[in-house]
Amino acid sequence: AQSVAQPEDQVNVAEGNPLTVKCTYSVSGNPYLFWYVQYPNRGLQFLLKYITGDNLVKGSYGFEAEFNKSQTSFHLKKPSALVSDSALYFCAVRDKSSNTGKLIFGQGTTLQVKP
Amino acid sequence: EAGVAQSPRYKIIEKRQSVAFWCNPISGHATLYWYQQILGQGPKLLIQFQNNGVVDDSQLPKDRFSAERLKGVDSTLKIQPAKLEDSAVYLCASSLGGNISPYNEQFFGPGTRLTVL
Repeated sequence: AQSVAQPEDQVNVAEGNPLTVKCTYSVSGNPYLFWYVQYPNRGLQFLLKYITGDNLVKGSYGFEAEFNKSQTSFHLKKPSALVSDSALYFCAVRDKSSNTGKLIFGQGTTLQVKP
Repeated sequence: EAGVAQSPRYKIIEKRQSVAFWCNPISGHATLYWYQQILGQGPKLLIQFQNNGVVDDSQLPKDRFSAERLKGVDSTLKIQPAKLEDSAVYLCASSLGGNISPYNEQFFGPGTRLTVL
């Protein structure tokens, strides 16, 4: 079965410091991986995706993610965190077993950036 | 470009009552998804429509949940009767296509927060 795991319920970081939100996946074949962010009382917003090619993917709001096939990971990173980055972050993988395009989400990681 | 619209934003009902949610996808998007997001968990797909046909409802509790997408545009999701464990945020999303292509990006609405007492 295809799955995504986010091992940390919460990540705390000081403003201006680098941040990492971890994600590991389990899929057959080459994965299509996504990161979404959810602010309070808002829907999910797309940040970035990995399809193929360069392992370092750049996305919205200065975020980037590194695809590591040997470690089956797709960690989200940002060189310098902002207080406004505080939100709930979801890693997701496209379900390739059913050909329907649905996303399988991790349980989410709350990012708290303190001034 | 207008995003995915959902209503109501919040709903509080008692168990065994019925409730309905509405979604208007982005214009031109053929595929519509309903996800259930329980507190502390990631969203889980309930049902996926391609135009007005169902392509995946494997995780929809069909004894109490139903959904339709008449004319291939708007969609409604209904719960009847509701249970306490149905308390969640119900997210609607849409995309141009519905296959596994990673280029079929899903756009999400703000969600409806349901509380069942």
